[in-house]
Amino acid sequence: DGGITQSPKYLFRKEGQNVTLSCEQNLNHDAMYWYRQDPGQGLRLIYYSQIVNDFQKGDIAEGYSVSREKKESFPLTVTSAQKNPTAFYLCASTPSGTGYNYGYTFGSGTRLTVV
Amino acid sequence: LAKTTQPISMDSYEGQEVNITCSHNNIATNDYITWYQQFPSQGPRFIIQGYKTKVTNEVASLFIPADRKSSTLSLPRVSLSDTAVYYCLVGERSGNTPLVFGKGTRLSVIA
Repeated sequence: DGGITQSPKYLFRKEGQNVTLSCEQNLNHDAMYWYRQDPGQGLRLIYYSQIVNDFQKGDIAEGYSVSREKKESFPLTVTSAQKNPTAFYLCASTPSGTGYNYGYTFGSGTRLTVV
Repeated sequence: LAKTTQPISMDSYEGQEVNITCSHNNIATNDYITWYQQFPSQGPRFIIQGYKTKVTNEVASLFIPADRKSSTLSLPRVSLSDTAVYYCLVGERSGNTPLVFGKGTRLSVIA
């Protein structure tokens, strides 16, 4: 079955460490996204990519970095510069373009906790 | 993107019909109205989309009045498993701007 795989499901990070969250899709989708969700809040966009080797900052990109070397992969690195990284991180993809608003497929998320 | 306003939370008993209204006063001509559902610790999933009048699928119905300044998601005979957060989004079907998810409406279904 096609879908988006996020790993790990749970991640613990010590303060000052960088960590990388994995997102892989086998849907042949062009666009991929990273959202952050805090308790009781909506989703906030971190980064998105419409094609390989290109990506754009979202509303809260500071302290995060991404790469898009392959169409099916869009890893997110949470750097030590991110002051409050504890959150639920969601990866999504769409077939083409970023406004394909009924075609968003989400992964099951990674819950990151700073210890 | 058009701004949307929806209730923060709603409670319902099992078996009742639930209607969640979303206001979008500045909706544009090319905008569609889309609803997503999110269960705890999962990503949102698409429920229904419409442009005007009424749309129905196996999960829900979407009612959109003629002026399109609001819309109502209707869930028939809810069960405990319908407890989730419901997001209303408005935007072009194939625009160039990623979706903006607000806080949504937290629906709690009570036995």
